[in-house]
Amino acid sequence: AQSVTQLGSHVSVSEGALVLLRCNYSSSVPPYLFWYVQYPNQGLQLLLKYTSAATLVKGINGFEAEFKKSETSFHLTKPSAHMSDAAEYFCAVSHTGTASKLTFGTGTRLQVTL
Amino acid sequence: GAVVSQHPSWVICKSGTSVKIECRSLDFQATTMFWYRQFPKQSLMLMATSNEGSKATYEQGVEKDKFLINHASLTLSTLTVTSAHPEDSSFYICSASRAAASSYNEQFFGPGTRLTVL
Repeated sequence: AQSVTQLGSHVSVSEGALVLLRCNYSSSVPPYLFWYVQYPNQGLQLLLKYTSAATLVKGINGFEAEFKKSETSFHLTKPSAHMSDAAEYFCAVSHTGTASKLTFGTGTRLQVTL
Repeated sequence: GAVVSQHPSWVICKSGTSVKIECRSLDFQATTMFWYRQFPKQSLMLMATSNEGSKATYEQGVEKDKFLINHASLTLSTLTVTSAHPEDSSFYICSASRAAASSYNEQFFGPGTRLTVL
């Protein structure tokens, strides 16, 4: 079975500060890992994905994430937060070689303050 | 490219009625579509996976007779909530994937449908 744990249901940062959203996964086989963003009353938008290529993945809107197998982590970072980054962020895992079924974490709400 | 739409975006219905939600892939053929539900301030829970032309595969605990899924074409899947009750009120999100559900392929998400059952 696969699972994802997102530490911190709510993270608040100042505009311009570093954003760090944590994600740890559990998988018995090599995983695919994803970060999605959801704005209120909207669907999900893919920020970035890890599919066994480079361990440092760059995504849209200045976000990036690093796959660390030894730590079973896939934390999302952005050097400088912008007000428009305020949203809900979901980490998700999928197994390689199986149906593209995604298992989502519980989400982290990012608040950006002035 | 890879746009997925849902209709309606919101619906309010009376308890006991049925509601149909459509999910369309607008610019690609979706071999596989997924249906999720999301309760307020919670994560997405996969309800079922459907491949075009075959029966949907439901997740454990999801009543297949209550949540009817049809994937009749490569661009359209529908979710019908039958005999809806207030506890079915939720945000329903679909996603579509280009490949058959036997290999990885990115899922493209629709904007969601908010169902409120009175």
